[in-house]
Amino acid sequence: EDKVVQSPLSLVVHEGDTVTLNCSYEVTNFRSLLWYKQEKKAPTFLFMLTSSGIEKKSGRLSSILDKKELFSILNITATQTGDSAIYLCAVHDRGSTLGRLYFGRGTQLTVWP
Amino acid sequence: DGGITQSPKYLFRKEGQNVTLSCEQNLNHDAMYWYRQDPGQGLRLIYYSQIVNDFQKGDIAEGYSVSREKKESFPLTVTSAQKNPTAFYLCASSIGGSAYGYTFGSGTRLTVV
Repeated sequence: EDKVVQSPLSLVVHEGDTVTLNCSYEVTNFRSLLWYKQEKKAPTFLFMLTSSGIEKKSGRLSSILDKKELFSILNITATQTGDSAIYLCAVHDRGSTLGRLYFGRGTQLTVWP
Repeated sequence: DGGITQSPKYLFRKEGQNVTLSCEQNLNHDAMYWYRQDPGQGLRLIYYSQIVNDFQKGDIAEGYSVSREKKESFPLTVTSAQKNPTAFYLCASSIGGSAYGYTFGSGTRLTVV
């Protein structure tokens, strides 16, 4: 059973739209949640979230964590074609092997011009 | 510049052959990981190593083997026992198993012909 569930799995929007990507998780001893962007090769780090209710922001991207409801969202405003990628959510379980991340299946975002 | 180098970028294998994927890091990270990524799937953990001469199976270790003779190197061998080896393979490393500073290589795409 998946420990990290992302939705939607696929999303197609037009430039300028705002999108919200979801990530819910179920781990025994939560330590942190991470968001990555993967275009064709290595995932690149976006955010690490450890505390509930504190928004992390970087340009048009922002993310927030709700540890009570066990989910996180990643928002992208004013989308651009360069935002087209797979967005991966991962959770670091304190009870697991140190450094072992559990990944969701990813959301494939396509932004049309 | 510090980072993780995976080679080759593309690899073709005939059925029944073993192949070895290289992963080298100069980040002085203790922990290293191998993940497999299939279309529509998240990253699934194959093997991980926290220190030299020690490694542990991940979720999908069958048909794979690894070694950790040096801190910098964590090669993955895909054996003929792996029934469906065609996939994208990612190597990663982290500082003492921390999720912060988790770094990915650029991946190797393996195709069985």
